[in-house]
Amino acid sequence: NAGVTQTPKFQVLKTGQSMTLQCAQDMNHNSMYWYRQDPGMGLRLIYYSASEGTTDKGEVPDGYNVSRLKKQNFLLGLESAAPSQTSVYFCASTQWTSGINTGELFFGEGSRLTVL
Amino acid sequence: ELKVEQNPLFLSMQEGKNYTIYCNYSTTSDRLYWYRQDPGKSLESLFVLLSNGAVKQEGRLMASLDTKARLSTLHITAAVHDLSATYFCAVDNSNYQLIWGAGTKLIIKP
Repeated sequence: NAGVTQTPKFQVLKTGQSMTLQCAQDMNHNSMYWYRQDPGMGLRLIYYSASEGTTDKGEVPDGYNVSRLKKQNFLLGLESAAPSQTSVYFCASTQWTSGINTGELFFGEGSRLTVL
Repeated sequence: ELKVEQNPLFLSMQEGKNYTIYCNYSTTSDRLYWYRQDPGKSLESLFVLLSNGAVKQEGRLMASLDTKARLSTLHITAAVHDLSATYFCAVDNSNYQLIWGAGTKLIIKP
């Protein structure tokens, strides 16, 4: 069972470079999320997608963009990476029905990004 | 705005002891989730509590939810070293999002 798959798992960027983190889920979930986790801290929501084709800002969206063109994929882009974006990024998915969460979030393994 | 507070944020305890982690939240919600995270790893779902009075148990861990008090507890019975991890609670904000607590880092010493 693949569940939620994130690529790449590790990435080193130089300041100003761009990249895309990819997330794929095979559970037919309608909602997907991108979080960042900094050392010793909890999760902060960057962007989420309640359903295919829709996206909304979370708590810390600045410097990021997202795309949800297919139900199973949620992409997180960094247009011009900054050292402050060094973090571990987690993708998650769940199934919502009529605005009510019917289950827990399922997380990917994380993508560790370092911006020099 | 929904806020979630966990306490304690750090807990060091001896094997064999019992302890409780608390998760308080600020506005009405009927759904609360507990997750575990091992160092360098992803988050693993432990419990899903979907109604007032819900109680779930798995091994030495038991979680409960009191929606009237806006409080959930995660109780550890006769702790063992393997339970060392960071535990997070998260609350449904009814807007397609979970609001997360800061996490409780639990260290269990032999």
